[in-house]
Amino acid sequence: NAGVTQTPKFQVLKTGQSMTLQCAQDMNHEYMSWYRQDPGMGLRLIHYSVGAGITDQGEVPNGYNVSRSTTEDFPLRLLSAAPSQTSVYFCASSLSGTARDTQYFGPGTRLTVL
Amino acid sequence: GNSVTQMEGPVTLSEEAFLTINCTYTATGYPSLFWYVQYPGEGLQLLLKATKADDKGSNKGFEATYRKETTSFHLEKGSVQVSDSAVYFCALLDTGGFKTIFGAGTRLFVKA
Repeated sequence: NAGVTQTPKFQVLKTGQSMTLQCAQDMNHEYMSWYRQDPGMGLRLIHYSVGAGITDQGEVPNGYNVSRSTTEDFPLRLLSAAPSQTSVYFCASSLSGTARDTQYFGPGTRLTVL
Repeated sequence: GNSVTQMEGPVTLSEEAFLTINCTYTATGYPSLFWYVQYPGEGLQLLLKATKADDKGSNKGFEATYRKETTSFHLEKGSVQVSDSAVYFCALLDTGGFKTIFGAGTRLFVKA
């Protein structure tokens, strides 16, 4: 098992550009989520999904879109990047999204918006 | 709303010292509580968890007890090693599930 994989590892964008951060898991997990990590603020939930075709907003969803067409993949789209979106982004997955099941994190994508 | 507050770091200890990292929470209902660890350049890993009051989570010599009366979940280890140097995050998952709330993280440095 590869676990949770994320691409790219690093990305630099200019303000206004768009891009998609990729996340995939091979553990047949129903629950997937995206977080951003900023210094002194811990991780904050952006969006999550409890299964293919189902997504919902977390704490900080503005400026980000998600979709879940397959169980394995959960891409995060930035439609028009802003410097405030400079952060480290983590994808995570678990079997159910409840406390019964362990949440597994990917290695992260470091994004800089100039 | 729900929130988690943990002690600011960094915390610097010598090898074999006793570790405590304080964590308190605010939540309605009966959340589940977690400690995650992040090693340099990596994603977070679950360290331990407790899902109801008075439960004690433990793993790799680390322990934390879910204290509802003080809304706390302090992390302890009796004898730290250099390899424990990392950032530690306290977190809660509310009763309904799906949305984990993290504290700001506490960086631990252990000197040989």
